[in-house]
Amino acid sequence: GENVEQHPSTLSVQEGDSAVIKCTYSDSASNYFPWYKQELGKRPQLIIDIRSNVGEKKDQRIAVTLNKTAKHFSLHITETQPEDSAVYFCAASTGGFKTIFGAGTRLFVKA
Amino acid sequence: GAVVSQHPSRVICKSGTSVKIECRSLDFQATTMFWYRQFPKQSLMLMATSNEGSKATYEQGVEKDKFLINHASLTLSTLTVTSAHPEDSSFYICSARDRRRVYNEQFFGPGTRLTVL
Repeated sequence: GENVEQHPSTLSVQEGDSAVIKCTYSDSASNYFPWYKQELGKRPQLIIDIRSNVGEKKDQRIAVTLNKTAKHFSLHITETQPEDSAVYFCAASTGGFKTIFGAGTRLFVKA
Repeated sequence: GAVVSQHPSRVICKSGTSVKIECRSLDFQATTMFWYRQFPKQSLMLMATSNEGSKATYEQGVEKDKFLINHASLTLSTLTVTSAHPEDSSFYICSARDRRRVYNEQFFGPGTRLTVL
């Protein structure tokens, strides 16, 4: 069945450094790849997304890249800040609107 | 825009009772809503897809008679946990898809923490 793998499960960086989270997906029909940030006890918040006809997208300190051939997509956070500490989920969605989530990455940004 | 509310935020009930959770899209119409379950420090597990005016589609392993879903309008879906047991205790989150959007952008509710004693 469909599957999304996410690495690493935990990531600790120093404030100001960059953080990279990687995901792979199995369903070649996937055409939409959102990233969510979830703080403890709160709802997942969409922080950036990318569609299958685009290779890269950037929004201030956050960027996402997509390699459709390899079925890889990645989240890049530059100049990390303590408030970036949270759990980040990647996801892949097909035209049937079913979304499969990765297992999550717990990001710690040390001040 | 794209606000989703969920009620109640927290519920504690006795084993054997039923609990209803409401998910509302406040400023958009949602033909499709999704119900997820999240265990501590784990990912979101899709339980079912709720379609307005038709039966929900359940994921493998999810008992449809246990988790009743109703999507009677374009802004409301409900999840009823019937005859709840302690193992049903979890964080339940809904999301809604804006029918105007081409891609599957989902907006999440704040979640409901269910504790079954």
